[in-house]
Amino acid sequence: DQQVKQNSPSLSVQEGRISILNCDYTNSMFDYFLWYKKYPAEGPTFLISISSIKDKNEDGRFTVFLNKSAKHLSLHIVPSQPGDSAVYFCAAPSGTYKYIFGTGTRLKVLA
Amino acid sequence: GAGVSQTPSNKVTEKGKYVELRCDPISGHTALYWYRQSLGQGPEFLIYFQGTGAADDSGLPNDRFFAVRPEGSVSTLKIQRTERGDSAVYLCASSLNPAGSTDTQYFGPGTRLTVL
Repeated sequence: DQQVKQNSPSLSVQEGRISILNCDYTNSMFDYFLWYKKYPAEGPTFLISISSIKDKNEDGRFTVFLNKSAKHLSLHIVPSQPGDSAVYFCAAPSGTYKYIFGTGTRLKVLA
Repeated sequence: GAGVSQTPSNKVTEKGKYVELRCDPISGHTALYWYRQSLGQGPEFLIYFQGTGAADDSGLPNDRFFAVRPEGSVSTLKIQRTERGDSAVYLCASSLNPAGSTDTQYFGPGTRLTVL
């Protein structure tokens, strides 16, 4: 039973355009969400998070939107840059520490 | 400052052998976590330490897997009688403290384990 789902395994975007990565969850008890970015041969790196009391959190080129009624969140990257090419994971803590990760979306930003 | 480090970066072993994977967390972080990432999947929780004790080992797949953190800093994940299905990237993470769900976990680069 996958509680956090990323249904798009890959995404290609032209440099300068917007990248939108999606994530769905099934557990209505989740109250905090994170996005991690992962380059090959490196560990996941924290990118941005959002609490369920908000519907939007912005940090530079990265914005995460949360739609609680739809149990859906999305990560927007504007403008996309070639260095953003990586695998992006959304995650939610189950309890206080056990992160539940999605399967990831591989983003490729084309120069 | 230094991040989470893991050694070795790669480990190739034969089926049935014993392996140890090491994690050195960020200095001062009391909470330490082990995850396993199989091909095409996201990281999956294995075990969580608060200080020296394993507060939650519910993610360990079976009793061939064991982890220790004797002095509350470095941790070792031990796998006995390795099987081909154990092949994966083993990730370690640490956080300052897990008191709330908003405490960010910082990951190491992982150890890629290959069981032949």
